[in-house]
Amino acid sequence: DAKTTQPNSMESNEEEPVHLPCNHSTISGTDYIHWYRQLPSQGPEYVIHGLTSNVNNRMASLAIAEDRKSSTLILHRATLRDAAVYYCILRVPGSARQLTFGSGTQLTVLP
Amino acid sequence: NAGVTQTPKFQVLKTGQSMTLQCAQDMNHEYMSWYRQDPGMGLRLIHYSVGAGITDQGEVPNGYNVSRSTTEDFPLRLLSAAPSQTSVYFCASSYSGSTNEKLFFGSGTQLSVL
Repeated sequence: DAKTTQPNSMESNEEEPVHLPCNHSTISGTDYIHWYRQLPSQGPEYVIHGLTSNVNNRMASLAIAEDRKSSTLILHRATLRDAAVYYCILRVPGSARQLTFGSGTQLTVLP
Repeated sequence: NAGVTQTPKFQVLKTGQSMTLQCAQDMNHEYMSWYRQDPGMGLRLIHYSVGAGITDQGEVPNGYNVSRSTTEDFPLRLLSAAPSQTSVYFCASSYSGSTNEKLFFGSGTQLSVL
């Protein structure tokens, strides 16, 4: 199975950039890399996704390594509201319909 | 636009009882799915559907049944609840299920089985 590896936890200071890493060394050529986040007592929320090129949206940026074996979610200016568990996710091989969630990275934002 | 709506938000069952967790979406999405999340862990896929009348199993389907009679609704049934099914359940949907689409999640149902 294509799996992802993320640090269990990270800390950041408010209004500073945050770089959340994800390793996915067994990614296949057509798997999209998705990022979701989960605030306390809420369902996961979509953040960003990409295939090969770096991606930007209003929430974050996604930097994908040239060999696609790792990626980094970038929050340009962390706010207290960004404190959440961040999940880096790949499609499950053999199925176009499934996403496998790992345990994610707990981001703490310090005021 | 309500998005994905799950009911109830909380439920307590006794072992052996049955119940149905409801999930509805108003975005005309073909793909719907159910996940469970145990404490301190990520989400695991239970069942999913790519359209009305079509369902398939995910990673942890045992003890759960689903059906998809309409595009809007995707209920999850526990026929005989067990303590191991104590968890938070999330419903998610997307337009067609393509890996290039984002998933929309409901706010969850917290289930306790005594």
